[in-house]
Amino acid sequence: GEDVEQSLFLSVREGDSSVINCTYTDSSSTYLYWYKQEPGAGLQLLTYIFSNMDMKQDQRLTVLLNKKDKHLSLRIADTQTGDSAIYFCAPLPGKLIFGQGTELSVKP
Amino acid sequence: DTGVSQDPRHKITKRGQNVTFRCDPISEHNRLYWYRQTLGQGPEFLTYFQNEAQLEKSRLLSDRFSAERPKGSFSTLEIQRTEQGDSAMYLCASSSELGNTIYFGEGSWLTVV
Repeated sequence: GEDVEQSLFLSVREGDSSVINCTYTDSSSTYLYWYKQEPGAGLQLLTYIFSNMDMKQDQRLTVLLNKKDKHLSLRIADTQTGDSAIYFCAPLPGKLIFGQGTELSVKP
Repeated sequence: DTGVSQDPRHKITKRGQNVTFRCDPISEHNRLYWYRQTLGQGPEFLTYFQNEAQLEKSRLLSDRFSAERPKGSFSTLEIQRTEQGDSAMYLCASSSELGNTIYFGEGSWLTVV
């Protein structure tokens, strides 16, 4: 079946790097996405990676994909208080599949 | 382009009433998705369209739920005989057929009292 798992919480200090991990089960995913959700808002597309890539860098964001282990991570460099939100990874085997997300708390 | 637009943003309705949500996708996006999100959970897939064709429906979409996209542009999601368990945020998203960038709207909050 389709399943996505993430740690529920992550707390970091401002200026540190944050690493949010995700494991998924469906190996047919063509793209894998990271979304950010602030309280009461919709989902903001942060970045995505094609399944035949193993790394993508986009400004402060670095996505690593280990397709063999079905593991995806998002690294946020120089984390700011404005990065506090819930982060969802979402593989795309035809449609986006979401887990519960990781709540990132950034302390000043 | 103003992004994916959803209306209304908030709806409070009495149990048993019907509600309808509208989604306007990004222009020229031919794929449109509906998701439902309850507090503390990730979004759950409901259905998606390619142009006017409804290609997949989740088993979450009971017979009280119906979605349409009559001309392949905007879409509506209707919930009949609402129940308290329908209280959630209903999210719409759109993408091109390539599907590599999927954008969400701000969601429509439904509260059933």
